Amino acid sequence: KAGVTQTPRYLIKTRGQQVTLSCSPISGHRSVSWYQQTPGQGLQFLFEYFSETQRNKGNFPGRFSGRQFSNSRSEMNVSTLELGDSALYLCASTTGRDYGYTFGSGTRLTVV
Amino acid sequence: DQQVKQNSPSLSVQEGRISILNCDYTNSMFDYFLWYKKYPAEGPTFLISISSIKDKNEDGRFTVFLNKSAKHLSLHIVPSQPGDSAVYFCAAMSGTSYGKLTFGQGTILTVHP
Repeated sequence: KAGVTQTPRYLIKTRGQQVTLSCSPISGHRSVSWYQQTPGQGLQFLFEYFSETQRNKGNFPGRFSGRQFSNSRSEMNVSTLELGDSALYLCASTTGRDYGYTFGSGTRLTVV
Repeated sequence: DQQVKQNSPSLSVQEGRISILNCDYTNSMFDYFLWYKKYPAEGPTFLISISSIKDKNEDGRFTVFLNKSAKHLSLHIVPSQPGDSAVYFCAAMSGTSYGKLTFGQGTILTVHP
């Protein structure tokens, strides 16, 4: 069965621009979470969506936003990009926490 | 405030021996714990998990032990194989915090042939 698919794999953007990243969860998984990984801060939780509703949010500025569609696919958007937003962005999906969270391969965002 | 800590940045083990990776947490609300393996530029791969109602869970070569009173968990890999070389992350979550895994900083495991 197909895993969690994230697109694009790599992205280069200029400061001040905005970016949209996409995540397609495993079929049947309705919960999608997003994480940012940087060398300094490690893996940090951004937000979680379930049935098109954001149920949880991490400590990130409002420039970071997301949404989930009726087919459970999710997007995250970062506006007014800063150099510090350069990171590996990961999404994970699950049917329930007892089954673990399956991560995608991530989107490597570089802001120049 | 680092609620999940992996105090050993790296661990080196000989093939066939046991690898023991450790993790400490401070938040008493955490009731579910997971271990992930990660290669550079890839997403973490789920290995094994444990609920706070248990103190041990096994899956093949992987065993996770949970000591709630000490707020400590460990991952045992027996026997270790060169293909196990990767970064290992422990993660914790509470039932009231939907979808939020709190990760440790990771331990680099190197298994020598």
